[in-house]
Amino acid sequence: AQSVSQHNHHVILSEAASLELGCNYSYGGTVNLFWYVQYPGQHLQLLLKYFSGDPLVKGIKGFEAEFIKSKFSFNLRKPSVQWSDTAEYFCAVIRTGTYKYIFGTGTRLKVLA
Amino acid sequence: GAGVSQSPSNKVTEKGKDVELRCDPISGHTALYWYRQRLGQGLEFLIYFQGNSAPDKSGLPSDRFSAERTGESVSTLTIQRTQQEDSAVYLCASSLAGQVGNEQFFGPGTRLTVL
Repeated sequence: AQSVSQHNHHVILSEAASLELGCNYSYGGTVNLFWYVQYPGQHLQLLLKYFSGDPLVKGIKGFEAEFIKSKFSFNLRKPSVQWSDTAEYFCAVIRTGTYKYIFGTGTRLKVLA
Repeated sequence: GAGVSQSPSNKVTEKGKDVELRCDPISGHTALYWYRQRLGQGLEFLIYFQGNSAPDKSGLPSDRFSAERTGESVSTLTIQRTQQEDSAVYLCASSLAGQVGNEQFFGPGTRLTVL
């Protein structure tokens, strides 16, 4: 079955620490990849997405993600986190030509001030 | 510029009762998705609408679940004879068209609790 794995369920960091959240998917073939974020009390919103081209994608608020096809991974990174990055982060994958997005289970990030 | 809205925000019901959840997508968004999020789990795809047509209902967990959409507007998700395992947050999302890669805009969700 198609799946998306986010290995870190809970992450706690101090401000200014570097962040990397893992995302692996199980599809073969061409995929499009997304990271969504849900801040406390807010809706899910798009952080960044990858369709094609440069595998290093930059998103909002200083986030970036790298698509490594050989590893079926799309890890999210930020060099220096802030308290305001406290949120839940979801990775999502969709096979090209389809419309069914598959989401990971999410990673809860808590940044300590 | 209203976003996706959902109602009610919270619903508590007794086992065996029917519930109806509503989603108002962003105006002009032809694609609409329903997801279910159980505690500690990811978003589970339920159904996708392109306009008022639902080409894929494969995610609906059982025949107790149904959904409809009026044109390119409001959608309702109905759960009949609710069970405790139906307790979850039900999320609706809309996008400009049901093509790969269009950003989905999510509503705030409806938290359903079945006692």
